[in-house]
Amino acid sequence: AQTVTQSQPEMSVQEAETVTLSCTYDTSESDYYLFWYKQPPSRQMILVIRQEAYKQQNATENRFSVNFQKAAKSFSLKISDSQLGDAAMYFCAYRSALRAGSYQLTFGKGTKLSVIP
Amino acid sequence: DGGITQSPKYLFRKEGQNVTLSCEQNLNHDAMYWYRQDPGQGLRLIYYSQIVNDFQKGDIAEGYSVSREKKESFPLTVTSAQKNPTAFYLCASSIGYGNNYGYTFGSGTRLTVV
Repeated sequence: AQTVTQSQPEMSVQEAETVTLSCTYDTSESDYYLFWYKQPPSRQMILVIRQEAYKQQNATENRFSVNFQKAAKSFSLKISDSQLGDAAMYFCAYRSALRAGSYQLTFGKGTKLSVIP
Repeated sequence: DGGITQSPKYLFRKEGQNVTLSCEQNLNHDAMYWYRQDPGQGLRLIYYSQIVNDFQKGDIAEGYSVSREKKESFPLTVTSAQKNPTAFYLCASSIGYGNNYGYTFGSGTRLTVV
């Protein structure tokens, strides 16, 4: 079974600075998808960014980018120019692309990000 | 607008009662899921369904039951057999297999045992 590990339960960043959230995963599969979700205090889960394992280029979405290291099974999220609205729980998630019926996402336990004004 | 609706937002259950959490989607998604969220535990999969009239147990299915009679609906029943039901419950849906889309989530139901 796949596992996703987020080793930082809590992090903080100064407003306008850059922060990196770590995520590692364990899988024997070669093709899969990785995601970062944001859960603000409203508890609504919001997709931040996604990465296909077969793509070497790191995904970017405005101030959010990832550092995908397939060999190391690492998928970190970098938030640039941090804003107060970035304060939230962030979840890393894995989804197989190979197995029939492999719709499920496996989530890490999350990292709580605080943004200091 | 398309989306997922979970109701109620807050639910209180007495000991020994069964309660049902509603989840409806109008996204025409094939797959639907129920997750439980506890502090420090992340999201854990309870049940999922890939097509109508079919569903599979997730990692923590004991004490829960589901049905999928319509594509749009995937209600979750928390039975009296669930010993620690107080948690935040999230419903989600996805297009299906073989794509890079993640989930669309509902806004959740907070269940408390009183």
